Amino acid sequence: NAGVTQTPKFRILKIGQSMTLQCTQDMNHNYMYWYRQDPGMGLKLIYYSVGAGITDKGEVPNGYNVSRSTTEDFPLRLELAAPSQTSVYFCASSESNEQFFGPGTRLTVL
Amino acid sequence: AQSVTQLGSHVSVSEGALVLLRCNYSSSVPPYLFWYVQYPNQGLQLLLKYTTGATLVKGINGFEAEFKKSETSFHLTKPSAHMSDAAEYFCALEEAAGNKLTFGGGTRVLVKP
Repeated sequence: NAGVTQTPKFRILKIGQSMTLQCTQDMNHNYMYWYRQDPGMGLKLIYYSVGAGITDKGEVPNGYNVSRSTTEDFPLRLELAAPSQTSVYFCASSESNEQFFGPGTRLTVL
Repeated sequence: AQSVTQLGSHVSVSEGALVLLRCNYSSSVPPYLFWYVQYPNQGLQLLLKYTTGATLVKGINGFEAEFKKSETSFHLTKPSAHMSDAAEYFCALEEAAGNKLTFGGGTRVLVKP
């Protein structure tokens, strides 16, 4: 099992550009999550999904969108990148009380 | 709303000394509590969790934590620090069966030889 994989590992965007962060899990988990990690702030939940076709907002959803067309994939879309979206993004999946995290995507918006 | 507070953003310990990382929480319902570890440039890995039952929970790498409801605390300890324990540690809370985690701000541990 590869677990949770994320691509790309690093990305630099210009203000106003858009991009999609990819997340795939091979554990057949129903629950998937996107977090952002900023220094000293812990992880903040952006969006989550309880199964294919079902998504909901987390604590900090503004500026982001998600979709969940399959159990395995949960992409995160940034439409108009802003410097405030410079962060490390983690995808996670879970089934019962334990979340498994991907290695993260480090995004810089200049 | 639930919240998690970790006291001390940085902790420095000598190799072989006790590691103590503090976590306090606020929750309106009985919580599930977790400690995660993050090594440099990696994702988070579960150290241990408390859901129900025994309040002293043992995890991987010699870590343990005790759930104290009266103190709303879930402090993490390890009797003897090893150089490989240098990492960032996160306490997290899940309001029972909600499947969503609320994280503390993290504590970075430095281990001195």
